[in-house]
Amino acid sequence: DSGVTQTPKHLITATGQRVTLRCSPRSGDLSVYWYQQSLDQGLQFLIQYYNGEERAKGNILERFSAQQFPDLHSELNLSSLELGDSALYFCASSAPGAYGYTFGSGTRLTVV
Amino acid sequence: GQSLEQPSEVTAVEGAIVQINCTYQTSGFYGLSWYQQHDGGAPTFLSYNALDGLEETGRFSSFLSRSDSYGYLLLQELQMKDSASYFCAVRDPNYGQNFVFGPGTRLSVLP
Repeated sequence: DSGVTQTPKHLITATGQRVTLRCSPRSGDLSVYWYQQSLDQGLQFLIQYYNGEERAKGNILERFSAQQFPDLHSELNLSSLELGDSALYFCASSAPGAYGYTFGSGTRLTVV
Repeated sequence: GQSLEQPSEVTAVEGAIVQINCTYQTSGFYGLSWYQQHDGGAPTFLSYNALDGLEETGRFSSFLSRSDSYGYLLLQELQMKDSASYFCAVRDPNYGQNFVFGPGTRLSVLP
């Protein structure tokens, strides 16, 4: 157990639908990162939050949004889902000054 | 932006030594990291090099040459459990210094 908790582990939904993925960072970590991993694109950085504030954006689609709440958990919202959104979505967290990220076990999203 | 290259696959036998290379092109360099990911699992942080040279952590070592924009991960005394994908990653100033990952190298350890 890495200390980063992601729910749900698996999600199957239809095209056009909206889903919410949830992440709780390790205790004490203020930064939360979201990554998407697909077979053809590898691990792609989506977005970072630090202590409730958006810090950086990567290749995140406009149909996707995220937020970090006062208790530091984060949610990634994916809407108007397309078949190509099927992927593993990872959340990671880090402490200030840390060299590496601690990843959660991921949410496997399948859009049918 | 950043660009990283790694071999797609490497195969070795138990007990052997294997080296996984990573070359990068960056608009600014802030360190090279390595992650391990088993099938269906989460990436796990292995090492970080900000300065030239070799960093050793048990059976794993990581090397960096900033002048050559090159690094490698060295795995010694290979075990079956080392079969996994290995990713190098660099910080991207275009993405708020967040890590951009290479395509990954799939290591297969044979008995």
